[in-house]
Amino acid sequence: QSVLTQPPSASGPPGQRVTISCSGSRSNIGTNTVNWYQQLPGTAPKLLIYSDNHRPSGVPDRFSGSKSGTSASLAIGGLQSEDEADYYCAAWDDSLNGVVFGGGTKLTVL
Amino acid sequence: QLQVQESGPGLVKPSETLSLTCNVSGGSISSNISYWGWIRQPPGKGLEWIGTIYYSGSTYYNPSLKSRVTISVDTSKNQFSLKLSSVSAADTAVYYCARRGPTGIPLAMGWFDPWGQGVLVTVSS
Repeated sequence: QSVLTQPPSASGPPGQRVTISCSGSRSNIGTNTVNWYQQLPGTAPKLLIYSDNHRPSGVPDRFSGSKSGTSASLAIGGLQSEDEADYYCAAWDDSLNGVVFGGGTKLTVL
Repeated sequence: QLQVQESGPGLVKPSETLSLTCNVSGGSISSNISYWGWIRQPPGKGLEWIGTIYYSGSTYYNPSLKSRVTISVDTSKNQFSLKLSSVSAADTAVYYCARRGPTGIPLAMGWFDPWGQGVLVTVSS
């Protein structure tokens, strides 16, 4: 059971917009910033969004992050086949004094 | 460009100690004044944070693993290491090392980037 809650799966046809949610609590998302990681099949995770809504250099602007209260969301617009991957949210938890991850969401492009 | 790379045995016997090293290249582990971390992923499952170390040696561990984990840094070799004792089959996973940065950001506000490619460690007799 992960501290941060994500839907196990999400899907959409090419070109559509998909949103992945990440629910936490006051001790993690409610207090600290949220980061998102993309893990393509058979590869290591890669930073996708940092500090709630910032994209590292090289990440397309189709990817965007937002946060409200104790929940965060990752939006992917204009779905492409290469977006098929597992997506994880993460945040520091002040109660556990450590990093907590969501269980991951497997995105399928139909 | 900063890079990190894990190395270590791919097979460990039950009850023994798992030992991995993360080599940092493209920058000094101490001059970056950053945090460095270990994360693992059991086959077919999600990511689990193991622990984080500051370049000066301060450590933060996952409470569920704390009694078995030791993370250390060797600035002379520009690397940091993970030791996990009394392993069982449940510790079989891909182990990743990563920098938690960027420089100057409080630990709670940082993120993991870059990541190593990961090393699969299987616990089996």
